[in-house]
Amino acid sequence: GAVVSQHPSRVICKSGTSVKIECRSLDFQATTMFWYRQFPKKSLMLMATSNEGSKATYEQGVEKDKFLINHASLTLSTLTVTSAHPEDSSFYICSAHETGELFFGEGSRLTVL
Amino acid sequence: GQNIDQPTEMTATEGAIVQINCTYQTSGFNGLFWYQQHAGEAPTFLSYNVLDGLEEKGRFSSFLSRSKGYSYLLLKELQMKDSASYLCAVRAGSYQLTFGKGTKLSVIP
Repeated sequence: GAVVSQHPSRVICKSGTSVKIECRSLDFQATTMFWYRQFPKKSLMLMATSNEGSKATYEQGVEKDKFLINHASLTLSTLTVTSAHPEDSSFYICSAHETGELFFGEGSRLTVL
Repeated sequence: GQNIDQPTEMTATEGAIVQINCTYQTSGFNGLFWYQQHAGEAPTFLSYNVLDGLEEKGRFSSFLSRSKGYSYLLLKELQMKDSASYLCAVRAGSYQLTFGKGTKLSVIP
């Protein structure tokens, strides 16, 4: 199947700093990518839909100025958590669809101290 | 709105069969997915149903009844490595999925 790669897999940062997470589709082009967040023992919650060449679409309750999404090419979407706080600590997962199937990145575990 | 329900936890014995149920109430329906997720890892695709009936894939089968808003995932010949969370997800529109909270399955010897 198609491969979606995320980087970094783990990141620890200080409160108030910004963290960038990359999501790449390695063997296909993805005009749309999705960013999910998963808190411990909770389900995946869709944060935003990333569209190549245009603005991302954010789900209700997700601050677009805090979670900056850039989808500058057909194979790369980035999520930047700005001014991170401990409550932003979570597992962030991206996904992209190819021929109707949704493929997930490996996930990035963010810990904000 | 979307509402997807599945049991929080289940325990089953190695070699046995287990059925994980999922009920959903969504505005629109364009397919139901089952994913397996091991702790700390991303979900991996298991099955997809869009029409009523049973889809079999090796040790895993998934059933869908659209009229009842109901699906189940059946795991046969359970192995210890099957211990994981199983996520039911519904696609209401194009490609966005809404996930249930997941069922944590523990397989015991």
